[in-house]
Amino acid sequence: DAGVIQSPRHEVTEMGQEVTLRCKPISGHNSLFWYRQTMMRGLELLIYFNNNVPIDDSGMPEDRFSAKMPNASFSTLKIQPSEPRDSAVYFCASSLRGYNEQFFGPGTRLTVL
Amino acid sequence: GIQVEQSPPDLILQEGANSTLRCNFSDSVNNLQWFHQNPWGQLINLFYIPSGTKQNGRLSATTVATERYSLLYISSSQTTDSGVYFCAVGMYSGGGADGLTFGKGTHLIIQP
Repeated sequence: DAGVIQSPRHEVTEMGQEVTLRCKPISGHNSLFWYRQTMMRGLELLIYFNNNVPIDDSGMPEDRFSAKMPNASFSTLKIQPSEPRDSAVYFCASSLRGYNEQFFGPGTRLTVL
Repeated sequence: GIQVEQSPPDLILQEGANSTLRCNFSDSVNNLQWFHQNPWGQLINLFYIPSGTKQNGRLSATTVATERYSLLYISSSQTTDSGVYFCAVGMYSGGGADGLTFGKGTHLIIQP
């Protein structure tokens, strides 16, 4: 079975540009999570969805960040405009309701110059 | 929010040695997971263990939920065990899953 799929795997962009990260959860999973990993802050939760509905976005750092889940098999995390401090690895994870265990994608390494 | 503390922060061992990694958390949880982040950055699921004891080959884990700690045991270490080990906790409310709060990790280096 395919795991969580993220694209792109690497993204290099210039300050001020819009960045869109994509995630396809494991088929049948109904919870989806976005996390960010930096040296300074470690792994932190940004936002999560249950049944495509955003539940908690308190971890989203600024209004420049937005996330959507238009259907059960696709989610996006958008940064507009991007800044150098947004450079990090962004992970997407999914879980199946009632089972709790989260499974992570390979991550997108974002570099903002 | 909930606090997660892992110890030790760094650990260097010779191949073949055994080790114990600890995770303390500040509040009740019903989700606890151990991950291994390999040198390529992948987060590999090791255990889903909100309570009790589990074993998988050379690895085992124990969570004592009433005392708010979990232990990860690695026996007969191999160089491929090197990486960062994360403990992460969360609450499941019945309405759906909750996000995980991660510890800072234990950086393990296994020398040949």
